[in-house]
Amino acid sequence: SQTIHQWPATLVQPVGSPLSLECTVEGTSNPNLYWYRQAAGRGLQLLFYSVGIGQISSEVPQNLSASRPQDRQFILSSKKLLLSDSGFYLCAWTHAINEKLFFGSGTQLSVL
Amino acid sequence: AQSVTQLGSHVSVSEGALVLLRCNYSSSVPPYLFWYVQYPNQGLQLLLKYTSAATLVKGINGFEAEFKKSETSFHLTKPSAHMSDAAEYFCAVSEAGGTSYGKLTFGQGTILTVHP
Repeated sequence: SQTIHQWPATLVQPVGSPLSLECTVEGTSNPNLYWYRQAAGRGLQLLFYSVGIGQISSEVPQNLSASRPQDRQFILSSKKLLLSDSGFYLCAWTHAINEKLFFGSGTQLSVL
Repeated sequence: AQSVTQLGSHVSVSEGALVLLRCNYSSSVPPYLFWYVQYPNQGLQLLLKYTSAATLVKGINGFEAEFKKSETSFHLTKPSAHMSDAAEYFCAVSEAGGTSYGKLTFGQGTILTVHP
């Protein structure tokens, strides 16, 4: 069966520090991968999606970047965090032929 | 462009009462519609989805939703609330086909509280 792993579960970082959140999917190949952010009191916002290794599409301009170095690995990064980067980050995957989106358990990021 | 509006950021019901969570959408093409549930500090789980088949969709945990094109609505209901239904619920819309399956546009979410 397919599983999605996301870590860390919680992270507290100072403003200006770098960020790296990792997401891996097991039990499937060539998934579409997504990073969503849920800011306090707001809905989920799609940040990045990827349909293959090295292929990244950004949905909104921001201080973050994403990379897909391997088929089932998706990384969210920042060189210098801002206070506004705080939020709950969710990784997700699906197949192009499958309408269901599978979410990871999320990372609660607090930038202080 | 697509958008989703969830009416009411907080809904409170008594255990055993009807649950009604409202969702209206806007889409320039025929939409796919979803309801997801999120328990505290967890990811989202799919409750149900509408993908242009039957307009009344049944999901997990006794929830169902009806797609009404004329009203551009996809309200979520459950006849009798349980304490375990307390969570945050998200309505989402996507366009059919290809990578747009994962590019969901979410509503702001509705927190459901169930009182004993």
